[in-house]
Amino acid sequence: DSGVTQTPKHLITATGQRVTLRCSPRSGDLSVYWYQQSLDQGLQFLIQYYNGEERAKGNILERFSAQQFPDLHSELNLSSLELGDSALYFCASSVDWTGGTDTQYFGPGTRLTVL
Amino acid sequence: AQSVTQPDIHITVSEGASLELRCNYSYGATPYLFWYVQSPGQGLQLLLKYFSGDTLVQGIKGFEAEFKRSQSSFNLRKPSVHWSDAAEYFCAVAPSQGGSQGNLIFGKGTKLSVKP
Repeated sequence: DSGVTQTPKHLITATGQRVTLRCSPRSGDLSVYWYQQSLDQGLQFLIQYYNGEERAKGNILERFSAQQFPDLHSELNLSSLELGDSALYFCASSVDWTGGTDTQYFGPGTRLTVL
Repeated sequence: AQSVTQPDIHITVSEGASLELRCNYSYGATPYLFWYVQSPGQGLQLLLKYFSGDTLVQGIKGFEAEFKRSQSSFNLRKPSVHWSDAAEYFCAVAPSQGGSQGNLIFGKGTKLSVKP
């Protein structure tokens, strides 16, 4: 158990809908990262927050957004869902923002299925 | 742009045999290097990491990896594989220069099957 929790574990929804994925980082970690894992794209970095502020953006679609709240949990919002958004979404957390020397601990993921 | 290549999509080894999973990276300097393992239905667990210093890095579960700058490689090894090692293994890099935000760049993964 990494100490990172993600809810829900599974999510099934229809095209055009909007969903929210939630992540609670390990106690004491200030950074939260979101990654998407799909069969065709592999594991891709989406976005990073540090202590409530956006630090870095990767290949995140405009239909997707995230935020980190004062209690440090984070939410990833996916809207106007398409079939291609079906994937496993991971959250990771680390103590600091640099990430390179700071180990990222991954949650168990949320499996999103868009029908 | 940085990239990571894991040339082997799927490898099968017999239990007790040795294992080497290959990883090559593309980056202007020496990046930070990581190996993660993902068991079915699980998240990613860090096996080991390399930042600097000794090029042979020891990790958990009996794994080790060797950084070879001349070959831009960071191959993962284990002398004797156990059935419980069956999983998918991911090599990842994080930039070490340029005010890195620290996001990881992953390879496509190598799926390891273990024969009894």
